[in-house]
Amino acid sequence: EPEVTQTPSHQVTQMGQEVILRCVPISNHLYFYWYRQILGQKVEFLVSFYNNEISEKSEIFDDQFSVERPDGSNFTLKIRSTKLEDSAMYFCASTPEYTDTQYFGPGTRLTVL
Amino acid sequence: QKEVEQDPGPLSVPEGAIVSLNCTYSNSAFQYFMWYRQYSRKGPELLMYTYSSGNKEDGRFTAQVDKSSKYISLFIRDSQPSDSATYLCAMRDSGTYKYIFGTGTRLKVLA
Repeated sequence: EPEVTQTPSHQVTQMGQEVILRCVPISNHLYFYWYRQILGQKVEFLVSFYNNEISEKSEIFDDQFSVERPDGSNFTLKIRSTKLEDSAMYFCASTPEYTDTQYFGPGTRLTVL
Repeated sequence: QKEVEQDPGPLSVPEGAIVSLNCTYSNSAFQYFMWYRQYSRKGPELLMYTYSSGNKEDGRFTAQVDKSSKYISLFIRDSQPSDSATYLCAMRDSGTYKYIFGTGTRLKVLA
């Protein structure tokens, strides 16, 4: 069964460093999402992406964040200058069309020291 | 008041029990409701989604929406130890695909 994959599974970085989190959505999916989940807290929507453009973004998704689909398979989330409060699980999700049937990846745990 | 409220649990039940998981919400514009299951250190997995008030059944799972009370439920029949996970509700209004999640309820089904 096709699945969303994410790399790395765990990323440790120093405060102020840039990180890129990578996702490979399911191959025929067209809509892509990033979420974060701070430990013990709820899953929070960050951004949705379609046709090489951001469709929607939350208040969390400020100028420190950017997303890109650099090729036909990868979907990346970049955090330019990490803060301690960026420590969280980051989940990528994809859907074949704009529906509620989202498929989540296993997540990347980001630890900012 | 939080937009979506969910009792964090943990909720412990014996195997075979009927489980009731609930969320309340404050935004009357929410029209689309989802239930996810999340195992430890895994991504959420969609269980069910509903677009209207009433019940929707899928195997051992039944989702119920009461928009007048701003209350949604997920029932699990004949619960199994493999159902032990955190259950998340999520919802959105019609003009957006920004989902608002509950904090999740941790369920333990004891063998």
